[in-house]
Amino acid sequence: EVQLVESGGGLVQPGGSLRLSCAASGFTFSSYGMHWVRQAPGKGLVWVSRINSDGSSTRYADSVKGRFTISRDNSKNTLYLQMNSLRAEDTAVYYCARDYGGIDYWGQGTLVTVSS
Amino acid sequence: QSVLTQPPSASGTPGQRVTISCSGSSSNIGSNHVYWYQQLPGTAPKLVIYRNNQRPSGVPDRFSGSKSGTSASLAISGLRSEDEADYYCAAWDDSLRGVVFGGGTKLTVL
Repeated sequence: EVQLVESGGGLVQPGGSLRLSCAASGFTFSSYGMHWVRQAPGKGLVWVSRINSDGSSTRYADSVKGRFTISRDNSKNTLYLQMNSLRAEDTAVYYCARDYGGIDYWGQGTLVTVSS
Repeated sequence: QSVLTQPPSASGTPGQRVTISCSGSSSNIGSNHVYWYQQLPGTAPKLVIYRNNQRPSGVPDRFSGSKSGTSASLAISGLRSEDEADYYCAAWDDSLRGVVFGGGTKLTVL
């Protein structure tokens, strides 16, 4: 059974940093690209970033480019999202998701709140 | 402002058939597969249609998808109360080099 478990969310002040993790199990992690998608409270889904299976290629939404960094450790079956210079508008539930041509499996999400 | 356009709401009575539309452009729906997700309140999204019209195992055959040109649609037949949820379409966008989503459609079962 595919499982994706996010962690690392919490309350952070504007301008601060946070690193999210996503532990993957139930599939060969190193064979799949992965995504981060976020959802602000009461709003829709917004794609944040994608990394390919070996970590050599990454993509970012314009809204996070230069502030967020996606990475992965295939030896630990773990996906990361380093978030710097956080803004109030980054407040959202962050989901990690598996790429199978498009997104197929989603984690349960971790809430990031940016507030003073 | 979402790149893909969905109606904000849809409704139907139990047993009815409802359709949710998703409109895009040549750089997304027009040249890539469409995916549909169901999000029940307080839960993570769940894939219900992939590659335009394929159903993952475990998804009832009441759910079907189609695509024509730069538009796609999700149809749910034999509507049930447990289908009440938010539905999102998504596709890769070749110009933006990322995944784009619709704004979501809230389906109400009356």
